[in-house]
Amino acid sequence: AQSVAQPEDQVNVAEGNPLTVKCTYSVSGNPYLFWYVQYPNRGLQFLLKYITGDNLVKGSYGFEAEFNKSQTSFHLKKPSALVSDSALYFCAVRDLRMDSSYKLIFGSGTRLLVRP
Amino acid sequence: ETGVTQTPRHLVMGMTNKKSLKCEQHLGHNAMYWYKQSAKKPLELMFVYSLEERVENNSVPSRFSPECPNSSHLFLHLHTLQPEDSALYLCASSQETGYYGYTFGSGTRLTVV
Repeated sequence: AQSVAQPEDQVNVAEGNPLTVKCTYSVSGNPYLFWYVQYPNRGLQFLLKYITGDNLVKGSYGFEAEFNKSQTSFHLKKPSALVSDSALYFCAVRDLRMDSSYKLIFGSGTRLLVRP
Repeated sequence: ETGVTQTPRHLVMGMTNKKSLKCEQHLGHNAMYWYKQSAKKPLELMFVYSLEERVENNSVPSRFSPECPNSSHLFLHLHTLQPEDSALYLCASSQETGYYGYTFGSGTRLTVV
């Protein structure tokens, strides 16, 4: 079965430090991977995606993610965190099965807290 | 704005009331979704519509009734809800291929009293 895991409920980092939010996946075939961010009482906003090509994907707000096929990981990173990056982050993988080819499977979310 | 509009943004209803949540998109997407987001719980996929046909219903209680009259509009009709149904209800849309992921609305914060 397709699945995605975010092993950390919360990540704490000081402003200006690099941040990493972890995501691992389990899919059959080639994965389509996504990161979304959610601010309080808002919907999820698209950050970036990996479909194919370069393993390092750059997205919105200075975020990037590295696809690692051998480790089945797609960790979200940013070189220098901002207080305004504090939010809930979701990793997702597209389910490639014929009967649900349009469904995304979301991780449980990781709360990022950037302290001043 | 993302291109997916949800109304109302906030809704307080009694357990005997009937209300509806509305979702509208003009992105040319052909699939639409309802999600429930409760505090400290993962996102719960409730319903999926593809080309206006319901293709997924994840064991959602019958007090939630979806309707998709056309590819741009999605409704969630609510009746005789329970306090545990209080949550943020999110609508999303996508192309059926899922290549570009989902576009989410801002959600409706529902409180059942």
